[in-house]
Parts: sequence; structure tokens; C-alpha cells
Amino acid sequence: NAGVTQTPKFQVLKTGQSMTLQCAQDMNHEYMSWYRQDPGMGLRLIHYSVGAGITDQGEVPNGYNVSRSTTEDFPLRLLSAAPSQTSVYFCASRENRGRYEQYFGPGTRLTVT
Amino acid sequence: SQQGEEDPQALSIQEGENATMNCSYKTSINNLQWYRQNSGRGLVHLILIRSNEREKHSGRLRVTLDTSKKSSSLLITASRAADTASYFCATDPSWGYQKVTFGIGTKLQVIP
Repeated sequence: NAGVTQTPKFQVLKTGQSMTLQCAQDMNHEYMSWYRQDPGMGLRLIHYSVGAGITDQGEVPNGYNVSRSTTEDFPLRLLSAAPSQTSVYFCASRENRGRYEQYFGPGTRLTVT
Repeated sequence: SQQGEEDPQALSIQEGENATMNCSYKTSINNLQWYRQNSGRGLVHLILIRSNEREKHSGRLRVTLDTSKKSSSLLITASRAADTASYFCATDPSWGYQKVTFGIGTKLQVIP
């Protein structure tokens, strides 16, 4: 199993540009989530999904959109990038019930200039 | 706001010593988890303790949970240089178990 994969690893955007961060998992996990990590702030939950077609907001959802059309994929869209969205983004997945440990991807380092 | 808050934020010890990190949280939880993050990498799950458990062991790790004080501690015994990493607690709230939130982390440095 590849586990949780994220692409790209690095990205530089100009303010106002849009892009999609990709996340995929091959463990048939129902639950997937996106976090951003900033120095001194820990990980903050952006959006999460408990299954295909079901998404919900986390702590810091503004400026981000998500959709979940398949169990495997959970893309994160930045519609109009802002410098405040410069961060490291992590995708994670887990089973929906029973085993609660999350499996994390390697992260995407995003810089918005 | 962060559900979990780790303390201390940074810790430096000599190899062979024990390292203790604490986590406080605000609301009722279903379970609490500890994760490790090596520099520039994703997080790796270490151990989970359920709300009805008070202590749990895994190898050199010992986790305690005090739900009356809404706090947990992670003890790493006989630390090694390879334990150098950031450690995070994560909480699964009992009211909405999907919304897992993390603390700001403790940065541990183990000096050889």
C-alpha cells in the first residue's frame, strides 16, 4: 500500500491564483481530513469528510473548498490564494469507526507571494 | 482555538534521560492520541488512550489520562537521539468524534 499520497510536494503561487492540492489514499478509509501547519500554531483542521459525498468544515475553512466524489480522493482547492495561506498542508485518513489513529501524507509546502 | 495544548513547548534532555510532555484540553473527549513528527515529515501515530482508561504503555512510551483535570502526559523513558522530534496530542471530542484537533506540540531534542 502507498498509504496517503499528496501532490505536489512544493508549490509557489502568486496572490489571486487558484490551485488544487491533491490527496489520495489506498486503505479504503472513510474518514479524510486536511490540516495546515504553521509555526507556533500546531495543526489546524481545515475540512474533513466522513465518506464520499459528505464533507464538513473544520477550524479554519475560509478560503478553501473540498469535495469527496470517491473514497480514495480528497482534493483541497484554493480559489484565490492569499499570503496568509502560506503554510504546510497535510492530508490524513483513518477508518471511520473502531481504529482512530490517522495516517498522514508527507505534506505540501505552499508559498503565496 | 486549539483543543489540545502541550507543555512544555520545547524540551532538551541528555540521551538516557526520561522526557515528559503534558497536554491539556478543554472539552469532553472520546479518546486522546499522541503523534510524533520528524522535521519536514508527516505525523506518525504513537499511542491512543480512551476516555475510560487511565494509563497505557507501548514500549518505552507511557501515557496517562486524567479526565477530571482534562490532561494527559506522555513519558518517553531512556530517551535516544532518534527520539528527537515534535510531539503532538490530538483529541477526539465525544460530541463529534470526527473533528480531531491537535495541540501546538512539544519540540523534544535529545542530545547524544
